[in-house]
Amino acid sequence: DTGVSQNPRHKITKRGQNVTFRCDPISEHNRLYWYRQTLGQGPEFLTYFQNEAQLEKSRLLSDRFSAERPKGSFSTLEIQRTEQGDSAMYLCASDSKDSYEQYFGPGTRLTVT
Amino acid sequence: RKEVEQDPGPFNVPEGATVAFNCTYSNSASQSFFWYRQDCRKEPKLLMSVYSSGNEDGRFTAQLNRASQYISLLIRDSKLSDSATYLCAYNFNKFYFGSGTKLNVKP
Repeated sequence: DTGVSQNPRHKITKRGQNVTFRCDPISEHNRLYWYRQTLGQGPEFLTYFQNEAQLEKSRLLSDRFSAERPKGSFSTLEIQRTEQGDSAMYLCASDSKDSYEQYFGPGTRLTVT
Repeated sequence: RKEVEQDPGPFNVPEGATVAFNCTYSNSASQSFFWYRQDCRKEPKLLMSVYSSGNEDGRFTAQLNRASQYISLLIRDSKLSDSATYLCAYNFNKFYFGSGTKLNVKP
């Protein structure tokens, strides 16, 4: 399967804990995006990378959120000191420099208790 | 004003019906537009890109109206399997998604 993959698929954590999610994009894609989606809403942009460079970060993203893409391949999204409001589906997507047609991974569903 | 606005629906239509959704966007400089389909508790899947004057793929037709800043999606001969939420999106430095329009196709 050469699609976008994400791990873990589900994460339940207690408030205050740190969590880290991983995304592996389609191999030939150089752009990688992170989104958050809650029930009844569309994906909300968090940040994106072109190769290893983080080019944009949403103003809605607090300092508790950080993302990396150290070698321009996979990416990680870390949430520190999780809050109940962080409960959502975290989606990763990738596309190539030749096209803005994004392909999404299956997402990581985070539940903060 | 939201970047992208969609009627949340639901649109309840019988099999075989033709249904159309509209989506308005706020940024007149946007160049790339898309329709995605999302099934319950699944990730969005790209349905169609909408470039220049629009395009058609089988039963699906997407149109772009730059003057009025909206894109539309027309589904002809709807199938039960078309039941899903349809998200529109545009790209201008980053992606902006609507909240989606829910479609229920009934037998």
